[in-house]
Amino acid sequence: GDSVTQTEGPVTVSESESLIINCTYSATSIAYPNLFWYVRYPGEGLQLLLKVITAGQKGSSRGFEATYNKETTSFHLQKASVQESDSAVYYCALGSDTGYQNFYFGKGTSLTVIP
Amino acid sequence: NSKVIQTPRYLVKGQGQKAKMRCIPEKGHPVVFWYQQNKNNEFKFLINFQNQEVLQQIDMTEKRFSAECPSNSPCSLEIQSSEAGDSALYLCASSPWDWGAWEQYFGPGTRLTVL
Repeated sequence: GDSVTQTEGPVTVSESESLIINCTYSATSIAYPNLFWYVRYPGEGLQLLLKVITAGQKGSSRGFEATYNKETTSFHLQKASVQESDSAVYYCALGSDTGYQNFYFGKGTSLTVIP
Repeated sequence: NSKVIQTPRYLVKGQGQKAKMRCIPEKGHPVVFWYQQNKNNEFKFLINFQNQEVLQQIDMTEKRFSAECPSNSPCSLEIQSSEAGDSALYLCASSPWDWGAWEQYFGPGTRLTVL
């Protein structure tokens, strides 16, 4: 079936350290997967962080980046130097290229950045 | 930031009671989704609409849940007879449904507690 698996949390990192949150997907019924990272900051709603709709491409936003790797079915989120304000829950999501199909979400990775 | 509006933010019901929540999608977004996020952070797709028409829905939605997106009125999701297992965060999302823009924008959610 279609699904997403991501790093189980919680993850704790010191400020200015690097971060990687792993995400792998299975897209058996989706011909052209679109991949997304969403973030939920404390007390706020789910926000789109970045998206990539073409295999081999990289998306970036707010210092985060993720590359859509079709061969390894992965879409890992990385940041070279995290800040305390990056503390949040991060969700990897799989969608289709039709726009009306529902997304498949990972279970979220809770990140705490220690100053 | 998303402009999807969801009301109420919190809803407390007794078992067997009706629970109704509303969503105003972003202006110009023709596709609306409802998801249930449980306490384990798992997302479950419930139903989606394109304008006023149902596109997809799961069996659970067909039996105790009802939803609509009338023209010029908020979309709504109603649970006819609440059960303890319905306690969750209900998320509404809308999508611009445009080529290359299949992302979904989420509201803050309605947190339902069934006592």
